[in-house]
Order: sequence, then C-alpha cells, then structure tokens
Amino acid sequence: EAQVTQNPRYLITVTGKKLTVTCSQNMNHEYMSWYRQDPGLGLRQIYYSMNVEVTDKGDVPEGYKVSRKEKRNFPLILESPSPNQTSLYFCASSPGEGGYYGYTFGSGTRLTVV
Amino acid sequence: QQPVQSPQAVILREGEDAVINCSSSKALYSVHWYRQKHGEAPVFLMILLKGGEQKGHEKISASFNKKKQQSSLYLTASQLSYSGTYFCGTESHGGGTSYGKLTFGQGTILTVHP
Repeated sequence: EAQVTQNPRYLITVTGKKLTVTCSQNMNHEYMSWYRQDPGLGLRQIYYSMNVEVTDKGDVPEGYKVSRKEKRNFPLILESPSPNQTSLYFCASSPGEGGYYGYTFGSGTRLTVV
Repeated sequence: QQPVQSPQAVILREGEDAVINCSSSKALYSVHWYRQKHGEAPVFLMILLKGGEQKGHEKISASFNKKKQQSSLYLTASQLSYSGTYFCGTESHGGGTSYGKLTFGQGTILTVHP
C-alpha cells in the first residue's frame, strides 16, 4: 500500500532531551515536507526537501533539523525540545515535477514536551 | 506569509452548496486544496496551476483567478461526508528551490447537517 509512515504516533518527552521523529514513504516521491499543526494556526511548514541532500527552510524552522540521506526517509530532529514545540506534526510527500501533484500526508505524530 | 481563507466556518444542510475562498498577497504559482477530518491527516483534493491546469477530485471544482491571486473551492450538493476542515496551500514561485515551499491558510470548518 502506498503510504507515508511516521513514528512514533504519540510522544511525551522532557525539555532538552533530543528526539527524532521518523518519516518514510514507499512511493519513490522526490518531495518531502514536515508541518506542525496548532489550533487556529493551520499547518505551518517546518522544512522541505526536493530530493536527496536538498533541503530548505519552511516558515517555522527554528529549533528543528532535518536530513535527507535517502530518498524514502526524511527524519525530523529536535536537538533540545522546548514546551512551545508541543504540537501535532505531519510528514508529507509528493512526486514533485514542479508541484503538479498534491501531497500525501502521514498519520501524524502528537508530541508533548513537558 | 499565510494565505487568507474565508469564511472561517460554514454550516450547511445536506444538498446545499458552499464556496470557500483563498487569497494571497503574493503572485501564485499553484494552489492546493485539502480536507482534514477530525483526528485524521489532511487529504489532497485538488491542485490548480497558474497556467490554468487543474488536477484533482472529480466531484469537486475550483477556480484560480490570476489577477486577484485568489482561488475558490466549490462544494455543490453537499453530503455529510463533506464535513471537515478545508485548507488551501499556496506556492508563490515557479522554478528552482521554491518548488515544495507550500504555505497553508488557517482553514475553513465545514459542517454538513442532515
């Protein structure tokens, strides 16, 4: 089944403890992206990637890192999480080709930082 | 800069029509539309490109006004399954590393009653 898989689905962590949220897609998509969703603010893009080793900042990149070493994987790294990073996170992927296709979203990761 | 969606919320009875608007202050390359049901991931509905191309859901229509940098999503003969939050996402450039930078509006909550 074609899908975007995020892990974990739920995570509670403490301030300052490094964590990684994994994202993997099995559709050979070129584009991948991370979003956070907060009530009243919609979906805000954190980072995006157009291909292996090609990444760029979205609208809210502060406090996050990403890497794209393989086409299928796009992990999101929080080096020193803080409570304001408590949010619902979505990974998404698209075939690319100049945005002629929509994005397929993963099921989401609900992160709580205490 | 986030695109602005209107209205913020719509309540309909089954069979009624609705229009959701999405406006941007930037020159748009493409507009995406997604629907998100409570507790689920956003699902791609449609993409509209500045050249007039459209790809998406067969039962949903949309328009893209290049002059006003505005898109409208038309939901006709609404069904209970149309309930959810609708998001527009905009890409403001064409070419280079700007592909993939998708900025979402704050969402429009659509409720359809029997």
